[in-house]
Amino acid sequence: AFRMTQSPSSLSAFTGDRVTLTCRASQGISNFLAWYQQKPGKAPKLLIYAASTLQSGVPSRFSATGSGTDFTLIISSLQSEDFATYYCQQYYSHPFNFGQGTKLEIK
Amino acid sequence: EVQLVASGGGLVQPGGSLRLSCAASAFSLSDFEMSWVRQTPGKGLEWLSYITSSGSTIHYADSVQGRFTITRDNSKSSLYLQMNSLRVEDTGVYYCATLGHWGQFYFDSWGQGSLVIVSS
Repeated sequence: AFRMTQSPSSLSAFTGDRVTLTCRASQGISNFLAWYQQKPGKAPKLLIYAASTLQSGVPSRFSATGSGTDFTLIISSLQSEDFATYYCQQYYSHPFNFGQGTKLEIK
Repeated sequence: EVQLVASGGGLVQPGGSLRLSCAASAFSLSDFEMSWVRQTPGKGLEWLSYITSSGSTIHYADSVQGRFTITRDNSKSSLYLQMNSLRVEDTGVYYCATLGHWGQFYFDSWGQGSLVIVSS
């Protein structure tokens, strides 16, 4: 099975900061990667699919890049509503597993 | 807007059974391929099962193969997960979700989750 490793596991930042979250696959997954945002007590919300395609309705301050094994999610200017946990997920091969998450907290 | 409402969770003893339901509103479930995903303290987010829009093709994660059964009733716009031989490690929040474009295995819209607690 493909192992998805996210770093850092937690991150503190100020509103207005630019932050970069990383996801690494244990084997190449082409661009079959999605990013999700999850707030406490809520279901995950799809942000990005196909490694870099912004889901409809997601603010343009979110962007993502990557292919193969290394992927990044960038939030260009953090807003208060962006403090949450972020997960990556590969859908290149069964089982379609998720990373362990990066918790983004207010500094 | 796609809305999914999951129900049927609760407290069950190890070895017991539960049936989760996921109802679609404001859209026809028959148009979508569907999955169940759970979130547990031990493993985090975990994809469990998939079913095509017609119900003709089904897949399971190894962790639930042989214990869980996914079904759907498009006439009722509903998705189900029958869970048998439940284990303590099955405790978590269970989500139903629609698959992405062209049936790709990312998860576009999610239900609100149904809590399952397996404990004696």
